[in-house]
Amino acid sequence: GQQVMQIPQYQHVQEGEDFTTYCNSSTTLSNIQWYKQRPGGHPVFLIQLVKSGEVKKQKRLTFQFGEAKKNSSLHITATQTTDVGTYFCAGRQGGKLIFGQGTELSVKP
Amino acid sequence: DTAVSQTPKYLVTQMGNDKSIKCEQNLGHDTMYWYKQDSKKFLKIMFSYNNKELIINETVPNRFSPKSPDKAHLNLHINSLELGDSAVYFCASSQDLTQYFGPGTRLTVL
Repeated sequence: GQQVMQIPQYQHVQEGEDFTTYCNSSTTLSNIQWYKQRPGGHPVFLIQLVKSGEVKKQKRLTFQFGEAKKNSSLHITATQTTDVGTYFCAGRQGGKLIFGQGTELSVKP
Repeated sequence: DTAVSQTPKYLVTQMGNDKSIKCEQNLGHDTMYWYKQDSKKFLKIMFSYNNKELIINETVPNRFSPKSPDKAHLNLHINSLELGDSAVYFCASSQDLTQYFGPGTRLTVL
């Protein structure tokens, strides 16, 4: 079945540094979603990308969908302590989402 | 005005017991889900119901039995709890696959 791999598993950064997490699928995705889970919280939907090569921005967050629609990335510019949490990508397989393993971001003030 | 709610938030129980987790959504969504998140934060779908009908049933032990009395509720009953069942269980709902998660139920089996 479809697999969605996400790297890195953990990332520790100094506040102000940039951060990127990468998501790769074994098959072409119809769309990809990104979620953020704060420590002790639940995953919260951030964004959905649908088109090949699509780039979307939310303030300091930049989301990209690869040309082949098999990979995606989330880049955070100048991290802040409020960015702490686990970021998940999720690709659609039939009627369900397959989640990546998540990237846990910690930010040192 | 909570969108997706779950009870209880924490559940601590002995091996072999039977327990239930309840979930309710007031978003008017047609589809509800149960996910299991293990200690490594891996989110795995367990079940999905659309308008009270089971549509996804992943490889989950049959000790786990979901029940959907109506499209706003999806409960999860677990029989004969095992140590490996310890995890956080998230309920979610969606209309178009965008998932709206509940706050989670942390289950600890002793």
